[in-house]
Amino acid sequence: GQNIDQPTEMTATEGAIVQINCTYQTSGFNGLFWYQQHAGEAPTFLSYNVLDGLEEKGRFSSFLSRSKGYSYLLLKELQMKDSASYLCAVRDGTDSWGKLQFGAGTQVVVTP
Amino acid sequence: SQTIHQWPATLVQPVGSPLSLECTVEGTSNPNLYWYRQAAGRGLQLLFYSVGIGQISSEVPQNLSASRPQDRQFILSSKKLLLSDSGFYLCAWGTKFDQPQHFGDGTRLSIL
Repeated sequence: GQNIDQPTEMTATEGAIVQINCTYQTSGFNGLFWYQQHAGEAPTFLSYNVLDGLEEKGRFSSFLSRSKGYSYLLLKELQMKDSASYLCAVRDGTDSWGKLQFGAGTQVVVTP
Repeated sequence: SQTIHQWPATLVQPVGSPLSLECTVEGTSNPNLYWYRQAAGRGLQLLFYSVGIGQISSEVPQNLSASRPQDRQFILSSKKLLLSDSGFYLCAWGTKFDQPQHFGDGTRLSIL
């Protein structure tokens, strides 16, 4: 099984940086995904990490340390539209069907 | 490009009534298909997944069932809905393990 933990809520100011941490405990590991979900909408894919290190995509970056069971999503130059829930999801290495286990999500509130 | 369609967008049903939610995918063949449920303020819970026509695996015991009558069609059903079945239902598709799952727009189900 898997246990995925992320903070419930974070607040930051427009233009600032916010780092959302995710820790996981899995019986195997085959990749970690970050999704963004606006209220009432479906999640949309942001980033994928399977090897240790940093992946950068514009204002968003994601980091992974497999030995520590740890990832973070970094949101830079925050905009009001970044107010959303951010979901961390882990793919179990023992699973052969590509299933994901999701954390409960971190609600990011961007203030003016 | 691949697209995923899910309907209806919202549904209000009385307790004890049947349910049928449909999901179709376009632009890809033999996708893995998934049904998730998201309770208010919670993470995504995987309900069913399918790796091919007629192949359904259930993740949690419940009064829901799923079927895959065609390669790109996935249906979520119930014979008698319970109050606890309320939630946001999301269909998703995926292919290779290093690729993300992509979600439909979701169905918001309210049971009265």
